[in-house]
Amino acid sequence: AQSVTQLGSHVSVSEGALVLLRCNYSSSVPPYLFWYVQYPNQGLQLLLKYTSAATLVKGINGFEAEFKKSETSFHLTKPSAHMSDAAEYFCAVSVRGYQKVTFGTGTKLQVIP
Amino acid sequence: DADVTQTPRNRITKTGKRIMLECSQTKGHDRMYWYRQDPGLGLRLIYYSFDVKDINKGEISDGYSVSRQAQAKFSLSLESAIPNQTALYFCATSESETGSYNEQFFGPGTRLTVL
Repeated sequence: AQSVTQLGSHVSVSEGALVLLRCNYSSSVPPYLFWYVQYPNQGLQLLLKYTSAATLVKGINGFEAEFKKSETSFHLTKPSAHMSDAAEYFCAVSVRGYQKVTFGTGTKLQVIP
Repeated sequence: DADVTQTPRNRITKTGKRIMLECSQTKGHDRMYWYRQDPGLGLRLIYYSFDVKDINKGEISDGYSVSRQAQAKFSLSLESAIPNQTALYFCATSESETGSYNEQFFGPGTRLTVL
């Protein structure tokens, strides 16, 4: 079985500060990992994905995530938060041959001016 | 134009009513999914379909049914709506080809309220 755990349902950062959203996964085989973002009143859109190539993955809007197998983690970071980053972020996992995706419970990011 | 569309976007209904949520896609993907989003619970899979003749239950299918009318259309029905089915519902698609990694493409969602 595959699963993800997102630590912190709400995270607040000041504008210009580092954004760090935590995700740990569990998988018996090599995983594919995703971060999605949901802006208010919208569907989810893909920020970035890890597919077993480079362990440091760059996504849209200045976000990046690093796959760390030893820590079973895939944390999302951005060096400097913007007000427009306020949204809910979901980590998700899938594996080859298992055609479903399992989502985490989400982390709401608040950016304080 | 949006690649994955959902109708209606908002719906208020009463307990016991039959409700259908519709999803259409122009991405040409074979796989379609219905998810439910509740605060603090993330997204949970209701049903999924890998082609017109392949329908599968997800983790929370009780009280729901689906119909895959065509490759591009996947409908979710609540036969007799109850208040705890109040939620945000998302349709999603993905490619079937190897190398798609199951990346999901989401519609804008339907907010359903059952009174």
